[in-house]
Order: sequence, then C-alpha cells, then structure tokens
Amino acid sequence: DGGITQSPKYLFRKEGQNVTLSCEQNLNHDAMYWYRQDPGQGLRLIYYSQIVNDFQKGDIAEGYSVSREKKESFPLTVTSAQKNPTAFYLCASSASTLAGVYNEQFFGPGTRLTVL
Amino acid sequence: KQEVTQIPAALSVPEGENLVLNCSFTDSAIYNLQWFRQDPGKGLTSLLLIQSSQREQTSGRLNASLDKSSGRSTLYIAASQPGDSATYLCAGGSNFGNEKLTFGTGTRLTIIP
Repeated sequence: DGGITQSPKYLFRKEGQNVTLSCEQNLNHDAMYWYRQDPGQGLRLIYYSQIVNDFQKGDIAEGYSVSREKKESFPLTVTSAQKNPTAFYLCASSASTLAGVYNEQFFGPGTRLTVL
Repeated sequence: KQEVTQIPAALSVPEGENLVLNCSFTDSAIYNLQWFRQDPGKGLTSLLLIQSSQREQTSGRLNASLDKSSGRSTLYIAASQPGDSATYLCAGGSNFGNEKLTFGTGTRLTIIP
C-alpha cells in the first residue's frame, strides 16, 4: 500500500530541546518537501529535496534542519533556534522536480508539534 | 511574488446543491494549479491538478478550471453531500519546478444535511 507516513502524530517539546519529525514514503518519488501550517495561514515551505543527498531552503528554513540520506526518508529537526515551533507539520513528495515538468504533490497525515 | 487568495474563508450550503469555490492568484505566469482537500487535523488529499497547457480537469463530481489571463481558478462541486464538508485549498506552482507551490488559506466548506 503506497503512501507517505509521518511520525509521531503528536509531539511535545520543552524549551531548548531539539526534536526530529519523521517522514517516510514508499512511492519511489524523487522529491520530498516539508511544510508548516499555522491557523489562518497557508502552508509555508520549510525545506525541499529534489534528490538524495541534496536539499534546499524554502521560505521559512530558519531554526530547522533536514537530511536526505535515503530516497525514502526526509526527517526534519526542529531546533531550539526556532522561536515559535508550535504548528502542524506536513511532509509531501512528488515524482520529480524536473524544470518545466510538474508532478502532483502527495501529502502525509501530519505531525502536530506543541511547545510546553 | 505569487500570492494566492481564497474567498470566502467559510461557506455553508444545503445538501444537494451545486457550488463553486474560488481561487485567485496574482502572477499570471502560474505554471499549474492543484486543488486539495483537508479534513480537520489531517493531511492534504490531492483532488485535481491542472497543468499549464490545460484549462480544466474533472474527477467524478468535481471540476476545476484555470484561467491564467484573469488570474482565477474555480472548483465546481456538483450535487454536494455532507461528506464533502472539509477545507479546500488551492496551490499554484511557478515554472521553476514544482517545489515552489504557493498555497491559499483555504475555504472551509460545510454541507448542511
């Protein structure tokens, strides 16, 4: 059953802690993305990766870090430098980001992060 | 910078009615447009993708159109059902590849039984 999984579903972080959100896909997609969703705002792009061992900053990358060591996995670390991390985090993937070709983005179920 | 607007923010209609959701964008160089559905506390489900060379796409009771010259896309839902209640989001992509999706804030749709 192909899809995108995110874990955990809920995550609580204390001040000063780093936390890592997991995103795995078995769709054989090249590209993966992390978005942040806040109430009343559209989704905002944090980081994206077009291929293994490569990733690019999105619009709001400060305080976040990622890695792409495997095609299937794109974990997001929310560091203590992120001043307002409470949000709903969504991971997505698509077949390719070849310039001039658009492929549909598919999303995971999300992780809700709350800072205590 | 591309901006995507969805008005109204919320909409309630009786079951069985046909309805239209609106999406406006500022940059006519939009390359594609994707419509999503989001249920409360859940991820996004892709509904329809309109490529740059297309003007509309259909899936079941859903029909989405794209008019780049006017900066508008619409999502038409026929014969609405209570199960259609959700937030509907549109997102536009630039011609630099699909990593640059810009999302609207969504329309929360409630179908009244």
